[in-house]
This record gives sequence, structure tokens and C-alpha cells, in this order.
Amino acid sequence: GENVEQHPSTLSVQEGDSAVIKCTYSDSASNYFPWYKQELGKRPQLIIDIRSNVGEKKDQRIAVTLNKTAKHFSLHITETQPEDSAVYFCAAPRGPGTASKLTFGTGTRLQVTL
Amino acid sequence: KAGVTQTPRYLIKTRGQQVTLSCSPISGHRSVSWYQQTPGQGLQFLFEYFSETQRNKGNFPGRFSGRQFSNSRSEMNVSTLELGDSALYLCASSFEPAGARTGNTIYFGEGSWLTVV
Repeated sequence: GENVEQHPSTLSVQEGDSAVIKCTYSDSASNYFPWYKQELGKRPQLIIDIRSNVGEKKDQRIAVTLNKTAKHFSLHITETQPEDSAVYFCAAPRGPGTASKLTFGTGTRLQVTL
Repeated sequence: KAGVTQTPRYLIKTRGQQVTLSCSPISGHRSVSWYQQTPGQGLQFLFEYFSETQRNKGNFPGRFSGRQFSNSRSEMNVSTLELGDSALYLCASSFEPAGARTGNTIYFGEGSWLTVV
């Protein structure tokens, strides 16, 4: 496909539970996978990224896993808090090397309820 | 250091008019990408400029154009505005091309909210 596929589009979890968002890419040459968080009315901000030479990366409550064979990568948020409520976007490079572009998923709206 | 700066932040235009949006990248960054964000459509890639050259272009009509200056500042222009052009236009900068397979972090500006009436 043209874009990075992202699921689910909305996700509601209770505070303290875990949240998982999954993205699938099509370009086997893709080797960099960032995740952005966009709070309401604010700019998207990078929260974590992973390169294809590793399978997992963790930063406190946030982790990203990469399965190159299946061409998918996932964002894991543990012990969710209300401030985790936001829209999350995954991205991957797509296209020939000299003209590759960073392509974003359609976003996941995460709602953390008390 | 200062982040990505976009101006204006908010603007209202009438159908048929044209608009120019400006983006100043992080100091030292040579790549500027533009994205259109609308509810339910995510971040749609418009184009990317690197060292004053358009490196890539998304699937938008020719009414959408851009340019980059020698100081890496970039502008995008939309001519003959349509109601459907109402959106948040985000600019992002990076040191190397955003889609390069070396993996360059891109940093977004706050965006320009365009409303077409």
C-alpha cells in the first residue's frame, strides 16, 4: 500500500493499564521507525524511535518493538496515565533512496480514563 | 536553540484567494517538509525541500507549491483556495532529508491553521 497502516484508530484504556498500537509498512527497505505524540492543539512530538538493526527499544514506560519479517512495529505504553491521552502517529520512510519520504500512519486517538 | 517557527499561526481566507505560509527551521537544519493535517486524514505529505531543491512531492494538485531559500527558510503557497484546503499546515525540519534511510529525526512547528470560507 501507499501509506503506513496504523491500528486501532481509537483506543480507550483505564489508568494503569497498558496500551498497544500497531503499524504495518510495505517498503522492505525502510529502516527507521519513529513515533510521534500529538496533544490537542499542539505539534506532533517525537517520543521514541527505532532503527532496523534492533528489535526493541525502551524508554521508561514506553517501548517500541520491530518485526522486520512481518513488516510491522508497535508502540507499547505501560502503566498509562491521563497525560498519555493524545493522538499517536507512527511513520516510516518509503520510496527510492534519493526521493524517499517519511510517511505517517493515520493516527491512534488514545484516551486514558480514570 | 529555537525550534521550528511557523507564521502566521492562524488565518482566514476566502475561496479563490491565495495564501503563503512561512517556516523557519531549526538552526543548522537543511531539510524542510510540509504536511497537511485534517481530521481523520492524519498527516498528508505535501513536499520536502533540501538545500533549496524540492526533493519529493506528495499527491496534491499543482495549486500547492513551495520553495526554500538559501538560509533554509521555506514558504508554501496555495493558489485558488478551496473550502477543502482548510487544515492545519505543519512544517518540519531535519538536518538531513526526512525520509533518508539513515533515519533523521524531524521536528515539527506549531503549524498554521488555515480556514477557507
